[in-house]
Amino acid sequence: SQKIEQNSEALNIQEGKTATLTCNYTNYSPAYLQWYRQDPGRGPVFLLLIRENEKEKRKERLKVTFDTTLKQSLFHITASQPADSATYLCALPRRDDKIIFGKGTRLHILP
Amino acid sequence: SAVISQKPSRDICQRGTSLTIQCQVDSQVTMMFWYRQQPGQSLTLIATANQGSEATYESGFVIDKFPISRPNLTFSTLTVSNMSPEDSSIYLCSVEWGTSGSAQTQYFGPGTRLLVL
Repeated sequence: SQKIEQNSEALNIQEGKTATLTCNYTNYSPAYLQWYRQDPGRGPVFLLLIRENEKEKRKERLKVTFDTTLKQSLFHITASQPADSATYLCALPRRDDKIIFGKGTRLHILP
Repeated sequence: SAVISQKPSRDICQRGTSLTIQCQVDSQVTMMFWYRQQPGQSLTLIATANQGSEATYESGFVIDKFPISRPNLTFSTLTVSNMSPEDSSIYLCSVEWGTSGSAQTQYFGPGTRLLVL
């Protein structure tokens, strides 16, 4: 079955720097991949979707890449701010189109 | 986008009892999903709730333990039955809200934090 791997260790980044989070998956390459943000005590919030034929997607300070050869997506936050501190989840569809999620990476932006 | 509310937001329950969680959406949606998120773990899909038909359960989850209702296109309930401490978790409902083609994004409720003693 499809598995998603995200770095389970927290990532500490100095304010103003670029934060880069990694999502690796096994088995088949999905038609698209998504990133969500989750704050403590809240449900995940959708951020970006990137399709298999797209190398890169941007939204304001966010950038996502999708490398189907490496079976990897990178999620970048440029000019990071303390308000960006949260857990970021990678998600992708199974073959039956149901969405599965990684465990997420906790990001701390240090002032 | 869809706005989703859940009730209760949190509860502390005794083992052996049952709790019903409500999920309300501000728009009509075909499918609603129930997830569980245990501490330090990823979201795990429990079941898919379709209006007018039985819910579809994922491997490891059964209807007797997690009965689901879907009486209309904006509402669903999940019951956690005969609870044990292992059921302590956050329970989230979500809906699909399409982008284009077959790619769907999900909108989540705020979650119900359940502690079973």
